[in-house]
Amino acid sequence: NAGVTQTPKFQVLKTGQSMTLQCAQDMNHEYMSWYRQDPGMGLRLIHYSVGAGITDQGEVPNGYNVSRSTTEDFPLRLLSAAPSQTSVYFCASSPRGPRDQPQHFGDGTRLSIL
Amino acid sequence: AQSVSQHNHHVILSEAASLELGCNYSYGGTVNLFWYVQYPGQHLQLLLKYFSGDPLVKGIKGFEAEFIKSKFSFNLRKPSVQWSDTAEYFCAVIPYSGAGSYQLTFGKGTKLSVIP
Repeated sequence: NAGVTQTPKFQVLKTGQSMTLQCAQDMNHEYMSWYRQDPGMGLRLIHYSVGAGITDQGEVPNGYNVSRSTTEDFPLRLLSAAPSQTSVYFCASSPRGPRDQPQHFGDGTRLSIL
Repeated sequence: AQSVSQHNHHVILSEAASLELGCNYSYGGTVNLFWYVQYPGQHLQLLLKYFSGDPLVKGIKGFEAEFIKSKFSFNLRKPSVQWSDTAEYFCAVIPYSGAGSYQLTFGKGTKLSVIP
């Protein structure tokens, strides 16, 4: 089925470990983005991409890296996990930008850093 | 940069009561506005959006919102809530052009609990 696929759904890490959250979409969308959702904080934009090879920072980019080598994939990397990065992470995509609705959201990755 | 303020953290209503959730944004230029809903355990879904034209926007499930430019507000309303409306509601804003026009900014959300 068409949509945004995030893996893994759950992950527990130790402080200092690295990991990559995967996000893939099969709708040929140019725009992809990563958000983190924390209780009482809403969703905050981490990084976004307007096309393959183009990425930019959002509201809370520190501690995260992204790349966009293909239209389909937009992985989010934590280089050295910190407890403050415990959160639920959502990937989203849309044809050209966040004004294109509906944005398609993945089911989320729940990440705990111990 | 743009910002969004949602006035209520948690709203508790009885079924059939009327709902109004406040949303104010901060940005000096033209914006597009959205309301999203997140049901327990699910990801966000779009309720409605305002781009231009009639400031009273109708969305899905009987929701509507009114854009008042002079007040920088985009409040969400529903005449009669149901238990199934229990969810968290997020207001979001994006500048129409310029810096930030690819960045959707969300408010902190309002949890709505509807008591049967």
